[in-house]
Amino acid sequence: AQSVTQLDSHVSVSEGTPVLLRCNYSSSYSPSLFWYVQHPNKGLQLLLKYTSAATLVKGINGFEAEFKKSETSFHLTKPSAHMSDAAEYFCVVSDPGSARQLTFGSGTQLTVLP
Amino acid sequence: DTEVTQTPKHLVMGMTNKKSLKCEQHMGHRAMYWYKQKAKKPPELMFVYSYEKLSINESVPSRFSPECPNSSLLNLHLHALQPEDSALYLCASSQLGTSQETQYFGPGTRLLVL
Repeated sequence: AQSVTQLDSHVSVSEGTPVLLRCNYSSSYSPSLFWYVQHPNKGLQLLLKYTSAATLVKGINGFEAEFKKSETSFHLTKPSAHMSDAAEYFCVVSDPGSARQLTFGSGTQLTVLP
Repeated sequence: DTEVTQTPKHLVMGMTNKKSLKCEQHMGHRAMYWYKQKAKKPPELMFVYSYEKLSINESVPSRFSPECPNSSLLNLHLHALQPEDSALYLCASSQLGTSQETQYFGPGTRLLVL
C-alpha cells in the first residue's frame, strides 16, 4: 500500500524568499511522484513529476523537487516566491501496479506575504 | 497541448433535478476519470474509464451515473442529489500503456445542490 504525508498544512513566506514544501511517501514499489498546484476555484495543474529518471526534477514556474529514496522524501522548492505562487499544493504518489489510482497528500496551503 | 475541458463551470440544481457534467480531451488519452473534491480536501476518485469501459467504481452512490460515449468524451449524469453532494467535480485523463502515467486535470465544475 502507498501513502503520502505532507508535513505542513500551511506554509507562509515573504515574496522573494525561498519556498520549501515537504512531502514524505511510502510505497512498496518504485513509485511515480507528482506535485500538483491548485489555485482558488481552479483545477489541478501538474507542476512536475518524478518517474525514475533524474532524481532532481525541474518543473514549471521555477519549481523543482528532489527524490531521495533513502529518506523517502520528495520535497518541493523554489528559490524565490512570487505572489502568484499562493495556492494549495498536493504531493501525489502512484505505484506502477495501480497507476490509475493516485494517492494524494492532504495538501499544503502556501501563503505569500508582500 | 495538455488541455482537459469541462462544462459547465458552475451548476446549481435542486434535489429533484436531472443534470449532466461534460468532460472532453483531445490528447488521445484512453483513460478518463471523475473525482469529487470538497473544500480544503484532496480530490477523491469516483470512476475510471479505460478504453471507454468502466474499470473502477469507488462505491459511488447510484445517483451518480457515468458515461463514456467515445474516447474523447466523458459525462457524469446526476439525479436526485443531496446537499452533501455539493463539491467541485474534476475530470482527468491519462495515456495508457505505460507504468508512468500522468493524469491531467480539467478546471472542474462547481456544483451546488439546494
